[in-house]
Amino acid sequence: AQTVTQSQPEMSVQEAETVTLSCTYDTSESDYYLFWYKQPPSRQMILVIRQEAYKQQNATENRFSVNFQKAAKSFSLKISDSQLGDAAMYFCAYLSGTYKYIFGTGTRLKVLA
Amino acid sequence: NAGVTQTPKFRILKIGQSMTLQCTQDMNHNYMYWYRQDPGMGLKLIYYSVGAGITDKGEVPNGYNVSRSTTEDFPLRLELAAPSQTSVYFCASSVVWNTEAFFGQGTRLTVV
Repeated sequence: AQTVTQSQPEMSVQEAETVTLSCTYDTSESDYYLFWYKQPPSRQMILVIRQEAYKQQNATENRFSVNFQKAAKSFSLKISDSQLGDAAMYFCAYLSGTYKYIFGTGTRLKVLA
Repeated sequence: NAGVTQTPKFRILKIGQSMTLQCTQDMNHNYMYWYRQDPGMGLKLIYYSVGAGITDKGEVPNGYNVSRSTTEDFPLRLELAAPSQTSVYFCASSVVWNTEAFFGQGTRLTVV
């Protein structure tokens, strides 16, 4: 069975600095998708970034980028120029053809002014 | 554009009571999902649907039922509520299975 592990329950970053959130996963499949979702205090999950496993190129969305290492089964999220509005829970998620997201336990990101 | 709307936002149930959590989406998405989120945990899939009239079990379906009579609506029924069902429930939808899932704001359910 697939699993997703986020080993950092909580991280802090100074405003305007860069922070990296870690995620590892375990799967025997070759075709899958990886996501980072943000959950602010409002509770609503919001997509941050999506990576297709068959693509070598790391996905980027403005200040958010990933380091996707398929062989190592690692999918970290880098947030550059951190802003107060980035403070939230961040969930790494795995998705394959079974339609079922597998979520990690989340990393709470605190942004310090 | 409302997206995914869940009602109610909060609810307290007594053990043994039943209730239905409502979910509706206005994006004409075929895929819809119900998740629960327990404290300190990620989301776990309860049920999902790939289109009207088609539903299937997820990881934690026991104690729940769903129906999908229309593309827009995907209600989740709790029968005989138990304290173990205390959780935050999220409904989500996606246009295709491997694209972004759009989530509702969640329902915080407490069973006492």
